[in-house]
Amino acid sequence: KNEVEQSPQNLTAQEGEFITINCSYSVGISALHWLQQHPGGGIVSLFMLSSGKKKHGRLIATINIQEKHSSLHITASHPRDSAVYICAVRGGGSQGNLIFGKGTKLSVKP
Amino acid sequence: EAGVAQSPRYKIIEKRQSVAFWCNPISGHATLYWYQQILGQGPKLLIQFQNNGVVDDSQLPKDRFSAERLKGVDSTLKIQPAKLEDSAVYLCASSRQAGAGNEQFFGPGTRLTVL
Repeated sequence: KNEVEQSPQNLTAQEGEFITINCSYSVGISALHWLQQHPGGGIVSLFMLSSGKKKHGRLIATINIQEKHSSLHITASHPRDSAVYICAVRGGGSQGNLIFGKGTKLSVKP
Repeated sequence: EAGVAQSPRYKIIEKRQSVAFWCNPISGHATLYWYQQILGQGPKLLIQFQNNGVVDDSQLPKDRFSAERLKGVDSTLKIQPAKLEDSAVYLCASSRQAGAGNEQFFGPGTRLTVL
């Protein structure tokens, strides 16, 4: 079992729909990251959170430390949101390397 | 501020050939990471540098992969000789320091295809 599990693996939505991507992890963490990866490979950091909720534009990220679960929500989805969304957790310790999920491929149709 | 730069963006080689990738981190970032991302998988850490020293290379296949960051700034990752299973995107990332609270910034990646 992977230390970071994402669901769903693939998601197709119609423009305007509300989207939720889930991430569960099995290790102790100091922070959780949501990353966006467009075709071509480059990764952009969307959120880094260790508790509660963060909002940026149409994106909302929540985390429940007790349940070891996080969700990424996209409101009023748009075709330009089509990308792979990756959940990564950072362990504790002085190095605290990132452990990545496999990603959720989102396709938003016009 | 300029982001993490990587080159080349794409590389196609035949198996048993050698290849090298280059990364220039964000100015002032002490920590540099190389990741391998195979299609359909999340990135896997290959090596982490703190300045010009190696912090973690436990998942680097040292029989064929090598990396250096001689002056603590730019870094190169080399594969010699390449195998078919090395086909992947190689991502470089940097952060101000290692550890919690230090966000990693990723470069655009180098997509390697080994034929």
